[in-house]
Amino acid sequence: GDSVTQMEGPVTLSEEAFLTINCTYTATGYPSLFWYVQYPGEGLQLLLKATKADDKGSNKGFEATYRKETTSFHLEKGSVQVSDSAVYFCALSWGTTDSWGKLQFGAGTQVVVTP
Amino acid sequence: NAGVTQTPKFRILKIGQSMTLQCTQDMNHNYMYWYRQDPGMGLKLIYYSVGAGITDKGEVPNGYNVSRSTTEDFPLRLELAAPSQTSVYFCASSYSDRGPYEQYFGPGTRLTVT
Repeated sequence: GDSVTQMEGPVTLSEEAFLTINCTYTATGYPSLFWYVQYPGEGLQLLLKATKADDKGSNKGFEATYRKETTSFHLEKGSVQVSDSAVYFCALSWGTTDSWGKLQFGAGTQVVVTP
Repeated sequence: NAGVTQTPKFRILKIGQSMTLQCTQDMNHNYMYWYRQDPGMGLKLIYYSVGAGITDKGEVPNGYNVSRSTTEDFPLRLELAAPSQTSVYFCASSYSDRGPYEQYFGPGTRLTVT
């Protein structure tokens, strides 16, 4: 079946460091891919998305490129801030009517940014 | 727009008690979902609904029930609560008329069963 694999956390960084969180997926075909972020004590928020190969999603300084050849959707940010401390989830969706919009989530990666 | 709202925010139940977690969305979304999130884990789908009167089981439905009488509301019922149901519960909704079906989440209900 479909699955999403993320690098394990926690990832601890200093402010202004470069962040990469690896995400790979297993699926037949070309799903839509998402990154969600969960700040402490809150629900998940959509951070960015990509719907087809080579698409690049970007938001709040974060970027991720849909790589069909490596079935990956790695999240990157060039200079993190303390406010980026959160749990980041990679997810896929089929975007077809009969998938009913269901998301397959990775386990999440906790990121801790220290001053 | 309030988005997706959930009540209560916190609840402590004794083993064997029952309760209903409320979820309401004001975005006119047809699709709605219930997830649970255990510590250090990802989200697991409990139940979902594709419209009023239509619900189906997700990955971990045992011990739960749902109903969808209106587009806006999607309550989750726990009967005979067990310690294994201690978790954070999230409700979400999404559009149904087009992909990629990004989901909008509520703030969650933290439930402890003792």
